[in-house]
Amino acid sequence: AQSVTQLGSHVSVSEGALVLLRCNYSSSVPPYLFWYVQYPNQGLQLLLKYTSAATLVKGINGFEAEFKKSETSFHLTKPSAHMSDAAEYFCAVRSYNQGGKLIFGQGTELSVKP
Amino acid sequence: IAGITQAPTSQILAAGRRMTLRCTQDMRHNAMYWYRQDLGLGLRLIHYSNTAGTTGKGEVPDGYSVSRANTDDFPLTLASAVPSQTSVYFCASSDTGDGATEAFFGQGTRLTVV
Repeated sequence: AQSVTQLGSHVSVSEGALVLLRCNYSSSVPPYLFWYVQYPNQGLQLLLKYTSAATLVKGINGFEAEFKKSETSFHLTKPSAHMSDAAEYFCAVRSYNQGGKLIFGQGTELSVKP
Repeated sequence: IAGITQAPTSQILAAGRRMTLRCTQDMRHNAMYWYRQDLGLGLRLIHYSNTAGTTGKGEVPDGYSVSRANTDDFPLTLASAVPSQTSVYFCASSDTGDGATEAFFGQGTRLTVV
């Protein structure tokens, strides 16, 4: 079975500081991994995805994530936080059954302090 | 703008009443999904459809039903609403011919059952 675990339900950083949101996955087959962002009262928007083409993936809004097979991790980073980055972030892995559904972690709420 | 449309955006519903949440996509995706989002639990799959004419159960299907008469529409029905079905519901779609393709989400329906 596939799963993802997000470490930390809430992360708080200062504006301009490094953002690091942690995600570990479990999969018996090569995974497709995704990071989504959800702003208040909105749907989920894709930030970036890992599709095995490159281990370092760059996404929108300056975010990037590195796939590390040895650590079964896909952590999301941004060098310098902006106030507009405050949102809920979800890591997900694509399942090979149930219609190719996405299996989500519990989410991490990012707060950015001025 | 292409994407997924959900209706209504919010609803307050009396317990015991029947309710259908509507979802329409114009991307000609083969797969569609219904998730519910609850605080601390992330997104959980209710039902899915691989293609028009087929549906399947997700993690939390009890109390919900779906149909997929055509490619574009995937309505979710609560036959007799209960307070535990208070949640935010997201419809999503994906082209699962390529496992690397992300899922696209609607803006959500906020349902309160009283």
